[in-house]
Amino acid sequence: EVQLVESGGGLIQPGGSLRLSCAASGLIASDNYMNWVRQAPGKGLEWVSVLYSGGTTYYADSVKGRFTISRDNSKNTLYLQMDSLRAEDTAVYYCTRMSSLCNSTRCHTWYDPWGQGTLVTVSS
Amino acid sequence: DIQMTQSPSSLSASVGDRVTFTCRASQSISSDLNWYQQKPGKAPKLLIYAASNLQSGVPSRFSGSGSGTDFTLTISSLQPEDFATYFCQQSYSTPLYTFGQGTKLDIK
Repeated sequence: EVQLVESGGGLIQPGGSLRLSCAASGLIASDNYMNWVRQAPGKGLEWVSVLYSGGTTYYADSVKGRFTISRDNSKNTLYLQMDSLRAEDTAVYYCTRMSSLCNSTRCHTWYDPWGQGTLVTVSS
Repeated sequence: DIQMTQSPSSLSASVGDRVTFTCRASQSISSDLNWYQQKPGKAPKLLIYAASNLQSGVPSRFSGSGSGTDFTLTISSLQPEDFATYFCQQSYSTPLYTFGQGTKLDIK
């Protein structure tokens, strides 16, 4: 069974740092495109960052320069280092795999599975 | 960025009803549209990928259609476990896959 388990969330003051972890089982994180998606309380879903299997990373403009995505292949774990945290970063952070299906013309992609999420609260 | 707009934002229905959700993209996204179901306190769950493909294990009462800018998710006969929030997501604009704001389905 494929499973993603996030940890590391908590209450942090504005300007502080936090590192989230996503432990993968049933899949090899380094062979996949792994993402972080967040959801502010009562709000919709926002893509945050992706780490491709080849090592390329991308970030949403809202976190660029403050967040860093990485992985430890030996631990099969994805990370999100969050620095200079702001109140608007308060959210549940989900780890998810980008899955894909390709035909002769294009590839279709989606997020599956998802972890259970970890809550980050930025407040003084 | 591609904007995704869902309608309605909320919907009340009864068990056994047929319901349809709509998702509109701000530009053509071919068939790169996915649907997710989210229950309170839980992670989103994939229902439909590539506009009309049912994810393994998802009941056949769920179906998706559309291409270009307009998409629909239909539940043919509502079951009690279907009351949740539904999100659409475009996967056309790599890597910034944007979501709609969601449609909350509750019991009438």
